[in-house]
Amino acid sequence: QKEVEQNSGPLSVPEGAIASLNCTYSDRGSQSFFWYRQYSGKSPELIMFIYSNGDKEDGRFTAQLNKASQYVSLLIRDSQPSDSATYLCAVKDFGNEKLTFGTGTRLTIIP
Amino acid sequence: GAGVSQSPSNKVTEKGKDVELRCDPISGHTALYWYRQRLGQGLEFLIYFQGNSAPDKSGLPSDRFSAERTGESVSTLTIQRTQQEDSAVYLCASTISTGPYGYTFGSGTRLTVV
Repeated sequence: QKEVEQNSGPLSVPEGAIASLNCTYSDRGSQSFFWYRQYSGKSPELIMFIYSNGDKEDGRFTAQLNKASQYVSLLIRDSQPSDSATYLCAVKDFGNEKLTFGTGTRLTIIP
Repeated sequence: GAGVSQSPSNKVTEKGKDVELRCDPISGHTALYWYRQRLGQGLEFLIYFQGNSAPDKSGLPSDRFSAERTGESVSTLTIQRTQQEDSAVYLCASTISTGPYGYTFGSGTRLTVV
């Protein structure tokens, strides 16, 4: 059974600080990694994806992947109140089209 | 269309009734997915379509659940003889092709079985 683990939170971060969200996965065959943001009562929206070891930056967001440790993280710099949401980590295996989601981490940015 | 469209947005049904949920993916997206999200929980995979075939239907919880897709367009998810544990938000997503692509989700159908 493939698993994607996230700390459910809530994670509280002061406005302007860096929020760090973590995710571990069980299947070494996993190839693609995605971060989704889900506001309360809304559907998930894709923030970033990463395939290769290392860092990938997009604006205030940085995804980090370490396949050896089976670990993927999302950093949010200069956190804003609008970043308050649940962040879902998702993993896709090569040749398997479905995404396996973690249960999400609830992030609250404190003004 | 511009986004993934789902209907109805809300559905309240009596236990034992059948319901049909509809998903209209982004034009040109060949892959379509159904997920379920119970209150306060993560996303649970139900079924995946590539075109009008379903290579992976491993997540359908029981034979009360079925889904079909017409070509590379609309999909319907049917739940027969609904039970209270079927209450959830049913999310549809599409992507342009198979491969390492993220999904675009619709706004979901909130199903309440009373």
